[in-house]
Amino acid sequence: RKEVEQDPGPFNVPEGATVAFNCTYSNSASQSFFWYRQDCRKEPKLLMSVYSSGNEDGRFTAQLNRASQYISLLIRDSKLSDSATYLCVVTVSGSARQLTFGSGTQLTVLP
Amino acid sequence: NAGVTQTPKFRVLKTGQSMTLLCAQDMNHEYMYWYRQDPGMGLRLIHYSVGEGTTAKGEVPDGYNVSRLKKQNFLLGLESAAPSQTSVYFCASSPRGAGYYEQYFGPGTRLTVT
Repeated sequence: RKEVEQDPGPFNVPEGATVAFNCTYSNSASQSFFWYRQDCRKEPKLLMSVYSSGNEDGRFTAQLNRASQYISLLIRDSKLSDSATYLCVVTVSGSARQLTFGSGTQLTVLP
Repeated sequence: NAGVTQTPKFRVLKTGQSMTLLCAQDMNHEYMYWYRQDPGMGLRLIHYSVGEGTTAKGEVPDGYNVSRLKKQNFLLGLESAAPSQTSVYFCASSPRGAGYYEQYFGPGTRLTVT
């Protein structure tokens, strides 16, 4: 079983739609959680951190459910520019060695 | 302020050849990392460094060596390239440990080993 699992998609949604991605992690000792965005053939960039109480950044909302060991990302009012692969990242501690990336969920927003 | 840069951007090697990938950052970050990204696998940590003169093994270190002689540079060496090392290699840096701080990635090096 992978340490961090994501539905690879692709998710194809029309502009303006709301779309949600889930990510599950296997290590109950995991402490920090992030969503990174990766455009086609580009490097990953931090989208947002995920806090225990949930957090929102504009059209993006991230939530954490420690009991069920999953993280979610909700995108409202999808834009064409949201088309990318979204990577779930989990760490057990501050150690670099303990940082694990999911394989990503591909999103395409259609006009 | 260029951020994180990687050299070269593309390279084709024959099996058994060696090469060095260069990563440079101008943000004065302490931590630097080398990852490889393969389809369906996510990014996997090869080696990392928590400061000048230090290196440590990540998840998939075999067949690679690294050096961090200067704070701003992190070199990844392939001793004897194999087709299994065909991948996209990303370098990243962060002010402190990646568990709590954003990682800044370079644009990647696409390596093909034939």
